[in-house]
Amino acid sequence: DAGVTQSPTHLIKTRGQQVTLRCSPKSGHDTVSWYQQALGQGPQFIFQYYEEEERQRGNFPDRFSGHQFPNYSSELNVNALWLGDSALYLCASSKDWSTDTQYFGPGTRLTVL
Amino acid sequence: SQQGEEDPQALSIQEGENATMNCSYKTSINNLQWYRQNSGRGLVHLILIRSNEREKHSGRLRVTLDTSKKSSSLLITASRAADTASYFCAFILTGGGNKLTFGTGTQLKVEL
Repeated sequence: DAGVTQSPTHLIKTRGQQVTLRCSPKSGHDTVSWYQQALGQGPQFIFQYYEEEERQRGNFPDRFSGHQFPNYSSELNVNALWLGDSALYLCASSKDWSTDTQYFGPGTRLTVL
Repeated sequence: SQQGEEDPQALSIQEGENATMNCSYKTSINNLQWYRQNSGRGLVHLILIRSNEREKHSGRLRVTLDTSKKSSSLLITASRAADTASYFCAFILTGGGNKLTFGTGTQLKVEL
């Protein structure tokens, strides 16, 4: 049973560019959440997708957007990248939006130069 | 900020010793969870304690929760070098679905 997978593992972009990160949830899970973790800090909630809709959103600007596909996989898009967007982006999945336990993927390390 | 705070920020102990880390939060929660993170990679769920529970055990892990003080502690007994990692508390706010709010983390180093 595959766990949560994310791609790519690492990514280097320059300021102003756009980036798309991908996540496949654990088998049987229909809810995907995205978190941003800056170096030396705890993860911060970006948003959550359930039934292909954004269900909850954290305190992130509109430059951060997402999508969930019918197979429950998800994408995180960030436009007009800033240096401050450099971070580890973590995807987590759960059986539904009310299930307490979430399973995290290995993350995508984004570096903005 | 609703983010949790953890202390100590860093902890260095010898193998076989116990490690204790603490987490404090500011608002009403449904449950509190602890995660481990190795070398800046994905998070591994360790244990969950609900707001109506006071103590929970899982193997070498013991978690306590004091909702009156809005604090929790994680005790790792008989630590091993493989326990070296960052540990984060995370909680789900009352009415918050399953959105996790994380603490600032404790870096644990267990030396041989």
